[in-house]
Amino acid sequence: ETGVTQSPTHLIKTRGQQVTLRCSSQSGHNTVSWYQQALGQGPQFIFQYYREEENGRGNFPPRFSGLQFPNYSSELNVNALELDDSALYLCASSRTENQETQYFGPGTRLLVL
Amino acid sequence: EDKVVQSPLSLVVHEGDTVTLNCSYEVTNFRSLLWYKQEKKAPTFLFMLTSSGIEKKSGRLSSILDKKELFSILNITATQTGDSAVYLCAGGLTGGFKTIFGAGTRLFVKA
Repeated sequence: ETGVTQSPTHLIKTRGQQVTLRCSSQSGHNTVSWYQQALGQGPQFIFQYYREEENGRGNFPPRFSGLQFPNYSSELNVNALELDDSALYLCASSRTENQETQYFGPGTRLLVL
Repeated sequence: EDKVVQSPLSLVVHEGDTVTLNCSYEVTNFRSLLWYKQEKKAPTFLFMLTSSGIEKKSGRLSSILDKKELFSILNITATQTGDSAVYLCAGGLTGGFKTIFGAGTRLFVKA
């Protein structure tokens, strides 16, 4: 059973640019959630994808968008990057019937200069 | 607004000590209380609690939920240096699509 993987591991962008982060869910998991974790803070829920549709969203602006593919992998896109977008972005997958037990990937650390 | 508050924010103990980490929550549509351990990047799942007063145990770790007082504790007995990590508490909502995390308690266990 493969775990949750994310790419890239690290990324440096400049303000105003766009970024795409990728996540492959754990085998057998069809639900993917994305979180933003600023330094010294807990993860903040961005959104969740289930059956290739957004299934819920946190307090993040529309420039944060996502996709889920038929193989349950997912992308997080952030447009018009701001300095405050610098954070660890975590992806978590779960099974439909047990969505609260999420398995996290190692994250992508994004630095916006 | 939904919130989860953890205390203390940080803690330094010696190997062999017992620690208690606290978590209070105010979450509408509350369904479950979750504990995670975060060592470097990926939080790893420890416990999910849905019923009051029923202790869950895993080795030296245990946790209990009080749904009346909106409170949970995580106990770690006979701490080891490998227990050094950030411990995250989170509220799971009904529908399962959203989880509200606290800021975490940073535990450092000295040899």
